[in-house]
Amino acid sequence: DIQMTQSPSTLSASVGDRVTISCRASQSIDIWLAWYQQKPGKAPKLLIYEASRLESGVPSRFSASGSGTDFTLTINSLQPDDFATYYCHRYEDYWGTFGQGTRVQI
Amino acid sequence: EVQLLESGGALVQPGGSLRLSCAGSGFNFGSYAMYWVRQAPGKGLEWVSGITGSGVNIYYADSVRGRFSVSRDNSKNTLYLQVNSLTSEDTAVYYCAKGHGDWKGNYFDHWGQGTLVTVSS
Repeated sequence: DIQMTQSPSTLSASVGDRVTISCRASQSIDIWLAWYQQKPGKAPKLLIYEASRLESGVPSRFSASGSGTDFTLTINSLQPDDFATYYCHRYEDYWGTFGQGTRVQI
Repeated sequence: EVQLLESGGALVQPGGSLRLSCAGSGFNFGSYAMYWVRQAPGKGLEWVSGITGSGVNIYYADSVRGRFSVSRDNSKNTLYLQVNSLTSEDTAVYYCAKGHGDWKGNYFDHWGQGTLVTVSS
């Protein structure tokens, strides 16, 4: 089974910072990776699909890149609303796997 | 507007069963694969099960295969998850999620608010 490893698990940052979260697959998943944002007590929200495509309505300060096994989510100029937990999700097969999550905190 | 509304979560004893439901609206329900994802308290997201739009193809995580059963009634725009032989490790918020399509691999473009299943004596 393909495993997804996110790093770091926790990230401390300030408003205005540029932050980068990594996600690594144990085997190639081409571009079949999504990123979600989750706030406490809420459902996850789709940010990115196909590794780098921004979901409609998501602010342009979010961007992502990667293919194969290595992927990155970047948040430029971190805003107060961005403090949350972020998950990568591989979906190249009928079933999927999530990364462990990265909590972005002040 | 796409909406997903889960129900059926409850406090249940170990070994017990529940049926979770997810009512969809605002989209052509039968044209999309649907999924269940769970999240144990303070933990990350775990993919649980998926079912194609027609209901013909069904997939489970190893952790639930043989105990959980997913189904859908497209005439009622409703997704179900029958959960049996519950243990404390099944305690979680269960989310239903809509696939962006009805093919092999789908990301989840809409999520419900979740329903809490607590397994405890």
